[in-house]
Amino acid sequence: DTGVSQDPRHKITKRGQNVTFRCDPISEHNRLYWYRQTLGQGPEFLTYFQNEAQLEKSRLLSDRFSAERPKGSFSTLEIQRTEQGDSAMYLCASSPPDRFDEQYFGPGTRLTVT
Amino acid sequence: AQSVAQPEDQVNVAEGNPLTVKCTYSVSGNPYLFWYVQYPNRGLQFLLKYITGDNLVKGSYGFEAEFNKSQTSFHLKKPSALVSDSALYFCAVRDRGGSYIPTFGRGTSLIVHP
Repeated sequence: DTGVSQDPRHKITKRGQNVTFRCDPISEHNRLYWYRQTLGQGPEFLTYFQNEAQLEKSRLLSDRFSAERPKGSFSTLEIQRTEQGDSAMYLCASSPPDRFDEQYFGPGTRLTVT
Repeated sequence: AQSVAQPEDQVNVAEGNPLTVKCTYSVSGNPYLFWYVQYPNRGLQFLLKYITGDNLVKGSYGFEAEFNKSQTSFHLKKPSALVSDSALYFCAVRDRGGSYIPTFGRGTSLIVHP
C-alpha cells in the first residue's frame, strides 16, 4: 500500500482566510479520521468518517470547521475565517474494516496562521 | 470519560540497555490500549495493541507492552534499546463500551544514546 497522503504539507495563511486540506487514505480503508496536534501534545480527535458518513465530531470542531468525504475515498477539511489559534499540525488517519482500531497516519499538514 | 497519562516527557537510555516508557489510563469500563511511535517528519505508526487475553502484548520492532489492570498501566518495554528507537511514543486508550475514538497521551520522547 502507498500509505496515507496529505496535501499540502505546509500552509501559511493570514488570519481570516479560508484553507482546505486534503487527505487520501489507504485504498480499501473505510474509516478516515482527522486529528489536530499542537507542540507537546498528542493528537486530538476532530472527526471521523465511515465510508462517506460522518459519524462523530468533537466539540473541538467549531462551526468554522467542516469536513467531507463525498465518495468514501479522499476527504477534505476546511477551516473558514482562520484564527491564530488554529495554527497546528492537522493529521489524517485511516483504518481497515477488519482492524479498525489500528490507525495509519499521514505525515500531516502544518498550518501557520499569521 | 477516558484519559491517558504519560508521566515522563523524556526518557534517556543507553544503547543495549532495556527501556520502559510509562503509561497509565482511566476508563469507565474495560480498556483497549495502544502504542504508536512518531519518527521525525513522519506520521504516527501503530506499534501494538491490547484488546483482551494475555497481559503481555508483543508488537513491531521488538517492542512489547504489559497490561496491568490493578495499576491501570500499559508500559512499553524493549529488552535492548537501539539508537534507531529514538522517537516520540504515544500511548492511547479507548473504552470498550464507548466511542470508537481513542484518546492519546501527550507523548514521551525516547532518546537512546550510543
